[in-house]
Amino acid sequence: AQTVTQSQPEMSVQEAETVTLSCTYDTSENNYYLFWYKQPPSRQMILVIRQEAYKQQNATENRFSVNFQKAAKSFSLKISDSQLGDTAMYFCAFMKHGEKTSYDKVIFGPGTSLSVIP
Amino acid sequence: ETGVTQTPRHLVMGMTNKKSLKCEQHLGHNAMYWYKQSAKKPLELMFVYNFKEQTENNSVPSRFSPECPNSSHLFLHLHTLQPEDSALYLCASSQVMGPNTEAFFGQGTRLTVV
Repeated sequence: AQTVTQSQPEMSVQEAETVTLSCTYDTSENNYYLFWYKQPPSRQMILVIRQEAYKQQNATENRFSVNFQKAAKSFSLKISDSQLGDTAMYFCAFMKHGEKTSYDKVIFGPGTSLSVIP
Repeated sequence: ETGVTQTPRHLVMGMTNKKSLKCEQHLGHNAMYWYKQSAKKPLELMFVYNFKEQTENNSVPSRFSPECPNSSHLFLHLHTLQPEDSALYLCASSQVMGPNTEAFFGQGTRLTVV
């Protein structure tokens, strides 16, 4: 069974600084997706960034980038130039690449609560 | 907006009540999910529907009853709940496979059982 671990329950960062959120996972699958989701207080959970396991290049989305280490099963999120709006719960998630007649389900880590301090 | 809509946003119900949560998506996805999010706990996957068929039931008590009448709608019927069932219930949908596979979430229903 797949598991996702986030070892930092809470983190804080000064506005405009850089912060890195850690995530490790355990799977025997070779083809899968990894995600970072953001859940702002009382707001909808949204996708921040996605990485396909077969791609060696790290995904980037504006101020968000990942460090994907497949052999180490590590998938950290780096937020550059942190903004107040980045304050949220961040969930690392895993989804296996399913066959056409099967299903995929997203497995979430426990989350990291990030506070951006003015 | 993610394209997944949940109603109601907030619900307070007594332990003897019967209520239903509704989720709707028009993204063309073929898998839909119910998650329970409790304070300081990881998201718990409750039910998965794949092509309208239930493919996962993670030991959820029978007081929670899902229904998926079509690929765009998902319900969670609630009856005789307990106070510990108070939580945020999230619906999500995804495509089974594809280059842009991801899960899209609704806003959630904040359920309080009194």
